[in-house]
Amino acid sequence: KQEVTQIPAALSVPEGENLVLNCSFTDSAIYNLQWFRQDPGKGLTSLLLIQSSQREQTSGRLNASLDKSSGRSTLYIAASQPGDSATYLCAVTNGGATNKLIFGTGTLLAVQP
Amino acid sequence: NAGVTQTPKFQVLKTGQSMTLQCAQDMNHNSMYWYRQDPGMGLRLIYYSASEGTTDKGEVPNGYNVSRLNKREFSLRLESAAPSQTSVYFCASSPRGAGVSYEQYFGPGTRLTVT
Repeated sequence: KQEVTQIPAALSVPEGENLVLNCSFTDSAIYNLQWFRQDPGKGLTSLLLIQSSQREQTSGRLNASLDKSSGRSTLYIAASQPGDSATYLCAVTNGGATNKLIFGTGTLLAVQP
Repeated sequence: NAGVTQTPKFQVLKTGQSMTLQCAQDMNHNSMYWYRQDPGMGLRLIYYSASEGTTDKGEVPNGYNVSRLNKREFSLRLESAAPSQTSVYFCASSPRGAGVSYEQYFGPGTRLTVT
């Protein structure tokens, strides 16, 4: 059974720092991996999607990497800003008939001004 | 494009009452999903619809029913609400087919409290 773990559960950094959020999964047979952002009381916003054949994806200050063989992904945020404060979720899917996402429980990020 | 929309945003029910959560998407996606989010449990799949006319159970389907009304709309019904169904409900959609990314797009959620 696929399980997704995110470490750390919470992180507080001063503005301007570069930071890394970690995601690990137990079954390497994934179709893709998505990173989401969730603001308090809000829905999920898709940040980056990495296909299983890809090693990384970039969007602005965000860079996500994928090492399928070791079951790991990282989300790198450069030059963090207070507006980056949110919960970050990673999720994997095996595609197929269901294409259901298996989520980690998230990392709560606070960027202090 | 509005993306994925959900109604209502908030709802309070008494135990035993019924209600239907509505979801619609305007991205011409084939697949739609209902998830629930609970503290410490993450998001879990309730039901999904791979394409118009089909629905299937996810991880936590007990106490729920769904209807894929057409390609745009996918509703979730609670026939007899229980306090254990207090949660935040998210609808999502994704494209489906050869060569697509299967990226899922989420609605804003419905916050349901059952007393």
